[in-house]
Amino acid sequence: EAQVTQNPRYLITVTGKKLTVTCSQNMNHEYMSWYRQDPGLGLRQIYYSMNVEVTDKGDVPEGYKVSRKEKRNFPLILESPSPNQTSLYFCASSLMGSNSPLHFGNGTRLTVT
Amino acid sequence: QQQVKQSPQSLIVQKGGIPIINCAYENTAFDYFPWYQQFPGKGPALLIAIRPDVSEKKEGRFTISFNKSAKQFSLHIMDSQPGDSATYFCAASSRGNTGKLIFGQGTTLQVKP
Repeated sequence: EAQVTQNPRYLITVTGKKLTVTCSQNMNHEYMSWYRQDPGLGLRQIYYSMNVEVTDKGDVPEGYKVSRKEKRNFPLILESPSPNQTSLYFCASSLMGSNSPLHFGNGTRLTVT
Repeated sequence: QQQVKQSPQSLIVQKGGIPIINCAYENTAFDYFPWYQQFPGKGPALLIAIRPDVSEKKEGRFTISFNKSAKQFSLHIMDSQPGDSATYFCAASSRGNTGKLIFGQGTTLQVKP
């Protein structure tokens, strides 16, 4: 089944404790992206990657890191999480960039206390 | 200038009604306008998309109307059903930069039986 898989689904952590949210797609997509969803703000893009070893900032990259060492994986790293990073995070992929249909994972709900 | 403004924030209609969700943008470089549908606990999924060379696109009961001069586009749901109850997001992406996809704030639709 074609899908984008995020792990974990739920995560509660404390301020400053490094964490990684994994994202993997099995559709051989070139493009991958991370979004955070907050009430009243919609989905805001954190980082995106057009291809392996190519990453770029979205609209809200502060406090996040990403890497794209393999085509299928695009982990999101929070080196020192803060409470304002409490949010619902989505990974997405598409065949060729943001102008083609995005396939989203089911989300990771992160709480930073 | 990168914003996409979506309204209303929430909408309640009776079964069979025609909910309309509106989006407005400023950036004239946007040339791809998708709509995504999100059910609780799931990631968004592409519903329908339009490019500015057409003024209307229909897929089943869903229609996008596009007004290039007003820089506005809207989603109409004909003969709405309780199963259409979801959150809807409009989005926009520029030609030339196919990495950034800007989402609206989202509209929560409830269709009452």
